[in-house]
Amino acid sequence: DTEVTQTPKHLVMGMTNKKSLKCEQHMGHRAMYWYKQKAKKPPELMFVYSYEKLSINESVPSRFSPECPNSSLLNLHLHALQPEDSALYLCASSRGDYSYEQYFGPGTRLTVT
Amino acid sequence: DQQVKQNSPSLSVQEGRISILNCDYTNSMFDYFLWYKKYPAEGPTFLISISSIKDKNEDGRFTVFLNKSAKHLSLHIVPSQPGDSAVYFCAARPWNYGQNFVFGPGTRLSVLP
Repeated sequence: DTEVTQTPKHLVMGMTNKKSLKCEQHMGHRAMYWYKQKAKKPPELMFVYSYEKLSINESVPSRFSPECPNSSLLNLHLHALQPEDSALYLCASSRGDYSYEQYFGPGTRLTVT
Repeated sequence: DQQVKQNSPSLSVQEGRISILNCDYTNSMFDYFLWYKKYPAEGPTFLISISSIKDKNEDGRFTVFLNKSAKHLSLHIVPSQPGDSAVYFCAARPWNYGQNFVFGPGTRLSVLP
């Protein structure tokens, strides 16, 4: 199984809503990532979890809150988002050692109204 | 300021010919480089990587060349196939910043039958 799954595929939320994005992998990877991708732009790293601990937070606003309940799951909790947060949110995983190959999920297309 | 640049937003190539995608970087701390391919509505897929201690890495139809002095790398696809039509991202990692990958803006490759 070399798949990273993400749910939901699409999400529309208001600025006062609270929602969560979910990501799952069963490859035994110990590093998991959240990226944000705007249209016609490259993916931008948001967070990295390594061995279930937050290792990188790229100065992301607190309205985005990551969580890694176990080594297979990664969540991104959303609260009080702004319309400019509308984007494709990509989850990825890698072995977590010096193997740099990342496996990406298909993404969640988020629209904030 | 873009640390990883892909100056050609798009490229069209005839089927069976060579596709050459270019990537330039500005950060001399980058020591590992990757190429990803992305189809619409899917996450990026890892293609090939190269460490800064090498100048060439080959995998089937894909070859990546690295010129450290010029801070330039290129991806060669030979022969190009219509299924190669996708957006190609170059990504780089600084040696001192763990799993922080910086992506280029991407080049859209169209392989014409």
